Amino acid sequence: ETGVTQSPTHLIKTRGQQVTLRCSSQSGHNTVSWYQQALGQGPQFIFQYYREEENGRGNFPPRFSGLQFPNYSSELNVNALELDDSALYLCAGSSGRAQDTQYFGPGTRLTVL
Amino acid sequence: GQSLEQPSEVTAVEGAIVQINCTYQTSGFYGLSWYQQHDGGAPTFLSYNALDGLEETGRFSSFLSRSDSYGYLLLQELQMKDSASYFCAVLNMDTGRRALTFGSGTRLQVQP
Repeated sequence: ETGVTQSPTHLIKTRGQQVTLRCSSQSGHNTVSWYQQALGQGPQFIFQYYREEENGRGNFPPRFSGLQFPNYSSELNVNALELDDSALYLCAGSSGRAQDTQYFGPGTRLTVL
Repeated sequence: GQSLEQPSEVTAVEGAIVQINCTYQTSGFYGLSWYQQHDGGAPTFLSYNALDGLEETGRFSSFLSRSDSYGYLLLQELQMKDSASYFCAVLNMDTGRRALTFGSGTRLQVQP
């Protein structure tokens, strides 16, 4: 048990739609990171939030956006969905900015048709 | 850019020892982590090395050589439940980017 939960577990959307994925981390995880994992690949860093501010971003377009809330929950929003957005989306909580240990949630499997 | 290389697949028998190597090229290197992921599951933290040398945690050990940009994960006394994908991940601390960069993973199959 990592203390990180995500919802929904699975989601099916069509191209062009918008989606919001949610993550809830445990107390003390003041940093949350979001990753995209395509089938057979390693997770790819989307962005990170520390104390409710974006603290780093990977090579993802602006249609990927996020929020972090004071209660250790977080959202990932993706606009104008594309077929290639189909993947497992993982959030990970950690303490502080050092990031040496990240605790992953079970992920949301997004399918874009 | 940043890149990590690790073997795509490794097969071993129960009770054996297996070593999964990882080489990396990155700027702002801070440390090397290893994660385990079972099919359909989330990545689970195994180990982290910031300094050169060997870190041991039970049946698992991890090694880092910063000068060689190289590390490995050593799994001893393999069990069937160790069948999973193993990812090395570099922790970068570049300005404006503090995150893990993952390799493509090594699929370990443990056979009876």
